[in-house]
Amino acid sequence: EVQLVESGGGLVQPGGSLRLSCEASGFTFSNYGMNWVRQAPGKGLEWVSFIGSGDSPIYYTDSVKGRFTISRDNAKNSLYLQMSSLRAEDTALYYCAIERLVYWGQGTLVTVSS
Amino acid sequence: QAVVTQEPSLTVSPGGTVTLTCGSNTGAVTSGHYPYWFQQKPGQAPKTLIYDTSNKHAWTPARFSGSLLGGKAALTLSGAQPEDEAEYYCLVSNSGGNWVFGGGTKLTVL
Repeated sequence: EVQLVESGGGLVQPGGSLRLSCEASGFTFSNYGMNWVRQAPGKGLEWVSFIGSGDSPIYYTDSVKGRFTISRDNAKNSLYLQMSSLRAEDTALYYCAIERLVYWGQGTLVTVSS
Repeated sequence: QAVVTQEPSLTVSPGGTVTLTCGSNTGAVTSGHYPYWFQQKPGQAPKTLIYDTSNKHAWTPARFSGSLLGGKAALTLSGAQPEDEAEYYCLVSNSGGNWVFGGGTKLTVL
């Protein structure tokens, strides 16, 4: 059974940093690209970033370029999102999802507020 | 970056048929945009219904179908059930490897 479990969310002040993790199981993690998708409270979905199976290619939505960094550790079956210079508008539930968005985790909540 | 538009809300009667659409301000949505459709119920993660315009997953009910219609991606629900009441999102490929979600359609079965 495919499982994706996000962690690392929490409350952070504007301008601060946070690192999200996504632990994968039930499939050969190293064979698949991975995505981060977010959803602000009561709002729609927003695709954030993608990383290929072998660390490339890497893509970001315009609003996070230069602030967020996606990475992965295939030995640990884990995906990461390093977020810096956080803004109030980054407040959202962050989901990780396998390539082609077939399977999703349950999300981890990031709140940016003073 | 493209702006992808969906109907904000639609209502369908039980057993009825409804079509949700997904358009782009950059032009026609084509198979080259690899349109996806997702269903999301309150408190749940999204579930993929359709990928690459019209392909279904094993869990996708047969009453859902995807197509291209008048320059847009379309999701048709034929024989709506009460459990189909949900938010539906489309997703299309943008330039440079990016993806863009539509704003979502709240579907009411009433």
